Amino acid sequence: GAGVSQSPRYKVAKRGQDVALRCDPISGHVSLFWYQQALGQGPEFLTYFQNEAQLDKSGLPSDRFFAERPEGSVSTLKIQRTQQEDSAVYLCASSAGLAGGKTQYFGPGTRLLVL
Amino acid sequence: AQKVTQAQTEISVVEKEDVTLDCVYETRDTTYYLFWYKQPPSGELVFLIRRNSFDEQNEISGRYSWNFQKSTSSFNFTITASQVVDSAVYFCALSEARGGGATNKLIFGTGTLLAVQP
Repeated sequence: GAGVSQSPRYKVAKRGQDVALRCDPISGHVSLFWYQQALGQGPEFLTYFQNEAQLDKSGLPSDRFFAERPEGSVSTLKIQRTQQEDSAVYLCASSAGLAGGKTQYFGPGTRLLVL
Repeated sequence: AQKVTQAQTEISVVEKEDVTLDCVYETRDTTYYLFWYKQPPSGELVFLIRRNSFDEQNEISGRYSWNFQKSTSSFNFTITASQVVDSAVYFCALSEARGGGATNKLIFGTGTLLAVQP
């Protein structure tokens, strides 16, 4: 079956622009995660959804970052008034079930460059 | 606090050499999961293995093998007879294992860049 998909794959934004990044998880996966990966670093957690409920947004770096998953499937990560430090790869992952330790499957990421 | 350390930033080997990637973790949980992911130049994280804290049996999958030792909090990854296609960044990750509404997010190390020369 299809894996996790993300769009766009690349996004160039001018500082101050708003951007929206889309994630389409594996069908039927209850859990959805967003991670941010800076150059040369490991991914870092941003936020977590269980179905449509955002249960953890402790990793969002500022109130300019907002995520939603209104129908419990597709999710959108929005960044308002982008800053240069927002440049990174944004990864989406999904996993089946609610039990701890389920394997997370990742999408190809969206590479964001803020000029 | 949970933490994953991959002390090897870069490793370069010649094809057919064996190579071991080190991973040391810290956690206060008694139940947890460990993972290895591969990130080729295309950027997508590819799942390799998942291991729970109660299963210390080593695992072998083709040219890949994993050595989990709770006594030293290590979960090392060995590639036997490396190939050019193994060139990638490899990440070790740790997850808590709580049910209900717990996040169970992945805590990643900083990764090890493996370059396999022909």
